[in-house]
Amino acid sequence: GNSVTQMEGPVTLSEEAFLTINCTYTATGYPSLFWYVQYPGEGLQLLLKATKADDKGSNKGFEATYRKETTSFHLEKGSVQVSDSAVYFCALLTRDTGRRALTFGSGTRLQVQP
Amino acid sequence: DGGITQSPKYLFRKEGQNVTLSCEQNLNHDAMYWYRQDPGQGLRLIYYSQIVNDFQKGDIAEGYSVSREKKESFPLTVTSAQKNPTAFYLCASSLGQDQPQHFGDGTRLSIL
Repeated sequence: GNSVTQMEGPVTLSEEAFLTINCTYTATGYPSLFWYVQYPGEGLQLLLKATKADDKGSNKGFEATYRKETTSFHLEKGSVQVSDSAVYFCALLTRDTGRRALTFGSGTRLQVQP
Repeated sequence: DGGITQSPKYLFRKEGQNVTLSCEQNLNHDAMYWYRQDPGQGLRLIYYSQIVNDFQKGDIAEGYSVSREKKESFPLTVTSAQKNPTAFYLCASSLGQDQPQHFGDGTRLSIL
């Protein structure tokens, strides 16, 4: 079956530090990969996506590259801000028949200190 | 503005009571989804619907029911058979099955 594994949180960083949140996956076929962000008390917002191997998704300074050989989709940002504090979810969507819904990782909480 | 509206934001249920969570979207999306989120955990799929008048069970459908009579609406009923209903419930929709999902702001359900 499909699964997504994210690094345990919380991740605590100082403002302007470099961020990496690891995500690896197991899937049948060739999934599309996503990063979602959840701010306190809110729903999830799509942060970025990649639909095929070697694609790089990017948005608001965040980037992630679809690595088929290592089945990974790590999230990076060069310089975090306090406003980036949130929970980040890695997710996949497969194109095989049947279930067409996202499979989520458990989420990684990021805390950025001024 | 187009989006997904979930109501109410907070909901309380008494023992043995059924409650219904509302989800409405004006994005003209065909597919809709319900997820459950527990503290410190990811989202788990309850039900999903790819088209009007059709829906499928997700990973944790027991104790829940849905209907999809209109394209824009996908209400979720938490029945008394769901023994541990306290959670944050998120509704989502997508243009098609392979498209990114857009989420509402969620409903937090608690037991009195």
